[in-house]
Amino acid sequence: AQKVTQAQTEISVVEKEDVTLDCVYETRDTTYYLFWYKQPPSGELVFLIRRNSFDEQNEISGRYSWNFQKSTSSFNFTITASQVVDSAVYFCALPTKAPSGAGSYQLTFGKGTKLSVIP
Amino acid sequence: DTGVSQDPRHKITKRGQNVTFRCDPISEHNRLYWYRQTLGQGPEFLTYFQNEAQLEKSRLLSDRFSAERPKGSFSTLEIQRTEQGDSAMYLCASSLHEVGVYGYTFGSGTRLTVV
Repeated sequence: AQKVTQAQTEISVVEKEDVTLDCVYETRDTTYYLFWYKQPPSGELVFLIRRNSFDEQNEISGRYSWNFQKSTSSFNFTITASQVVDSAVYFCALPTKAPSGAGSYQLTFGKGTKLSVIP
Repeated sequence: DTGVSQDPRHKITKRGQNVTFRCDPISEHNRLYWYRQTLGQGPEFLTYFQNEAQLEKSRLLSDRFSAERPKGSFSTLEIQRTEQGDSAMYLCASSLHEVGVYGYTFGSGTRLTVV
């Protein structure tokens, strides 16, 4: 079964520190995408990144970087020089085929990691 | 593109009452999804529409829950005879393409508190 595990429930860092959020997943699919979403206190889930299983190159976007390793089924997310505005809950998600087999997908989310950046 | 809108943002209701939430997706998105998120958990899938057809329903969606998308545009989620366990954030999302590739755009959610 598809499963996403975010073992870190809460992390606190001091502003300007680097922080890495871990995500480990289980899937039977041979090709798949993975997602990270951010949920600030306002509640809206904001899309951050989508990666496919073909591409294991690390990706950097500004202060964000992602390390995808298919061999260990991990898709970790690093924030460099954290800022107070980064305080949010971060979710890793994996598309899951609907049980009906109709071909549509749902997203299976991890439980999230709450990041608090202290000024 | 005004994003996905949900109304109301907050709802407090007494146990046993019925409640209805509304979601307006991004206008060109033909796929619409409802998720439920309880405290400390990730969102959990409830149901999926493609245009006006409800194609998927989670077993989380008990018979007290009903969702509609009558004209393939906005959607409503109704909970009848609410219970305290229904207290959660109800999230709506929409997409133009298959979510497995492109993901969703989420609304800000409706936070339901059953007292």
